Amino acid sequence: RKEVEQDPGPFNVPEGATVAFNCTYSNSASQSFFWYRQDCRKEPKLLMSVYSSGNEDGRFTAQLNRASQYISLLIRDSKLSDSATYLCVVNKEAQGGKLIFGQGTELSVKP
Amino acid sequence: DAGVTQSPTHLIKTRGQQVTLRCSPKSGHDTVSWYQQALGQGPQFIFQYYEEEERQRGNFPDRFSGHQFPNYSSELNVNALLLGDSALYLCASSFLAEFQETQYFGPGTRLLVL
Repeated sequence: RKEVEQDPGPFNVPEGATVAFNCTYSNSASQSFFWYRQDCRKEPKLLMSVYSSGNEDGRFTAQLNRASQYISLLIRDSKLSDSATYLCVVNKEAQGGKLIFGQGTELSVKP
Repeated sequence: DAGVTQSPTHLIKTRGQQVTLRCSPKSGHDTVSWYQQALGQGPQFIFQYYEEEERQRGNFPDRFSGHQFPNYSSELNVNALLLGDSALYLCASSFLAEFQETQYFGPGTRLLVL
């Protein structure tokens, strides 16, 4: 079993749609959680950290359920510029340590 | 404020050769991690350097080695290249003492082994 598993893609949605990505992780001792965004042939860029209380940044909402070892990302009012691969990332340590990436879910937002 | 930089951007090598990739961390960062990303996959952790020492290592063979310099920059060396080493190599920098330390990635070096 992979340490971090994500929904298989690709997700093809129209502009303005709401889309949700899900992710599960296997190590219950994991300490920190992130969503990264990766554009084609570019480096991953931090989209947002994910906190136990849930957090929101504009159109993006991330939630963490430690009991179920489940992380989600909700994108509201999708824009063409949201088209990218979204990577669910977990770290067993709060400081230092290796990032463990999911395979990524590709999102394509169409006009 | 310059972000993470890597060189070279692209590299073509043949099997059996050796390669050195370079990374300069973001200003104020003291930790460098290296990742390998194969096509269609998420990045895989190779190793992490802090205070010029290898702090953690992933499941990569000894052909992969690294170094961190006093100015926090880092090198990744791969010996005896295999076709399967073809990938995007990403360097990430961070400040170890930061709570919920965040790693920022450089643009990567795309390595093709023929």
